[in-house]
Order: sequence, then C-alpha cells, then structure tokens
Amino acid sequence: KQEVTQIPAALSVPEGENLVLNCSFTDSAIYNLQWFRQDPGKGLTSLLLIQSSQREQTSGRLNASLDKSSGRSTLYIAASQPGDSATYLCAVSPGRGSTLGRLYFGRGTQLTVWP
Amino acid sequence: DAGVTQSPTHLIKTRGQQVTLRCSPKSGHDTVSWYQQALGQGPQFIFQYYEEEERQRGNFPDRFSGHQFPNYSSELNVNALLLGDSALYLCASSLGDQPQHFGDGTRLSIL
Repeated sequence: KQEVTQIPAALSVPEGENLVLNCSFTDSAIYNLQWFRQDPGKGLTSLLLIQSSQREQTSGRLNASLDKSSGRSTLYIAASQPGDSATYLCAVSPGRGSTLGRLYFGRGTQLTVWP
Repeated sequence: DAGVTQSPTHLIKTRGQQVTLRCSPKSGHDTVSWYQQALGQGPQFIFQYYEEEERQRGNFPDRFSGHQFPNYSSELNVNALLLGDSALYLCASSLGDQPQHFGDGTRLSIL
C-alpha cells in the first residue's frame, strides 16, 4: 500500500525566506505526483504536476522536483510572501489501469509566512 | 466555465441519520472521485465513478455508497452516521488521465 509522508508538519517563517517542503512515498511505481495548496476550510488547488518521467516542474516562484527511485519530492518556494500561508499537500497517483486517478495524499505541511 | 461544484457547503446531522452529498463535475469531465478529509489529515480516497459505475473503491465500509448520473454528476450517500464521519468531503472530476480538479467540499458535522 502506498504511503505518503510530508515533513515538516508545520513551518512558520518571516516574509522573504526561501522554503523547502519535503514529500516521500513508499512505492516508487507512480504515474505522477502533484503538489496542492489548501486554504482553511477550502478545497484543493493544484500547483504543480510532475509526470513519472520528469525530474522537475516550475511555475513562477514554485519549483517541484521528483526523484522517483528514492521516493522523494521537494517543493521549493522562493521569496515567500504572507499570501503563501496555507497547507501544502503532496499526492501521488499509483499508476494506470484499475488504479487510474486514485490519489494518495500526505498529511500536509501547514505554512505560515509572517510580515 | 464553472469548475467542480458541491452542495451543500455545510451540513449538520446526528448519529444514525443518513446524508446525501452532491457534486457537479467540471464541464467536459466524465470521471468523479470522492475523498474524505478529517481535521488535520490528508484526503482519503473513498471511490471513483466512471460511466455510471463504481470503478474503484478505497477502504471505506458499505455505509458509504455513491451514484453517477448520465450527465456525469454524482452523489455520495452515507448511512448510519457515526461521530467519526465528521469531515470535509471533497469531490474531484477528471477526463482520462488528466489531472483532477477539486471542489470546495462539503463540511459534514455529526452531533
């Protein structure tokens, strides 16, 4: 069974810092990995999706890397801002066929960026 | 272009009751997945519907059932509610192997 772990569980930093959020998964046979953002009481917003054949994806100040063989992904946030405060969730899709589309989530990293 | 819409946004029930949650997928999507997110936890996969059939299911009891209609909208039904069913229920829609789009969820509280 796929298990996803995120470290740290919570992070509080001053504005302007560069951040690294970590995600690890136990089964390297994944189809893709996604990073989501969740604001309190809200749904999930997809930030970045990395296919299993890719090493990284970038969107603005966000960069996500994937090392499938070691079962790890990193989300890098540059020049953090108070508006980045949210919970960040990592999710893996285990593959095609009967498990297509099912996502396994970590518990998330709760990020607070203070001015 | 409307995204995934869920109703109601909040719901309060008592133990033993039954509840129905609804989801309308993003336009053009044909697959709907449901997740349960307890407070402080990541979402847990309940089941997925495609072509009006349950295609795969997570580790949830039979009290959790669903339905998909010809217009691709979906319902999640939970019978004999327990206190532990209190959670945010998220619906996600997709097309093929494209990324899933999530709704804002239904917050279910059991008293």
